[in-house]
Amino acid sequence: DVKVTQSSRYLVKRTGEKVFLECVQDMDHENMFWYRQDPGLGLRLIYFSYDVKMKEKGDIPEGYSVSREKKERFSLILESASTNQTSMYLCATGTGPLGGANVLTFGAGSRLTVL
Amino acid sequence: GQNIDQPTEMTATEGAIVQINCTYQTSGFNGLFWYQQHAGEAPTFLSYNVLDGLEEKGRFSSFLSRSKGYSYLLLKELQMKDSASYLCAVRDSNYQLIWGAGTKLIIKP
Repeated sequence: DVKVTQSSRYLVKRTGEKVFLECVQDMDHENMFWYRQDPGLGLRLIYFSYDVKMKEKGDIPEGYSVSREKKERFSLILESASTNQTSMYLCATGTGPLGGANVLTFGAGSRLTVL
Repeated sequence: GQNIDQPTEMTATEGAIVQINCTYQTSGFNGLFWYQQHAGEAPTFLSYNVLDGLEEKGRFSSFLSRSKGYSYLLLKELQMKDSASYLCAVRDSNYQLIWGAGTKLIIKP
């Protein structure tokens, strides 16, 4: 089975804290994506990566950064968490040219609450 | 701008048929995806359409009309386990996905 594992299902952080969300996949997929999911909105792309050390901004990159040091691992970093970053964060992997989206496999999500 | 519209919520009866519509306006079109997401779980892939017409996969079918910017997901012989959100996503000219907000489907016995 394709597995995309997100390190934390639930996190509670305080405003201003640095937050790391980690995602690991075992399918050797080139592309990895970070989305956030909020009620009443479609999934919004934060960042994606199509190769090690490569990253591209998505639609809402402000306040976030990413790291991809190894092919199987893609980390999302909130340098200074704010309350408006309270959300469900979904990691996904897939194939496709230079980060283009074919069928995606998602992790179970990380629900972040910033107080 | 880019826009994907789906009904927010639908209710149907176990054993019945339900059709979930999705209309889209995007910059380019390179395929339309349907995903299922049970509460608290990851979205999982259901279907993909890139040409006009109907794609059937067991109890689920998906239809596409590119000229109308319209798709639907048809679920037959509904089961309680089909209670979930159904997400429509269009792949645009940059090969990135634009997502609808999802349709929450409630199945009643």
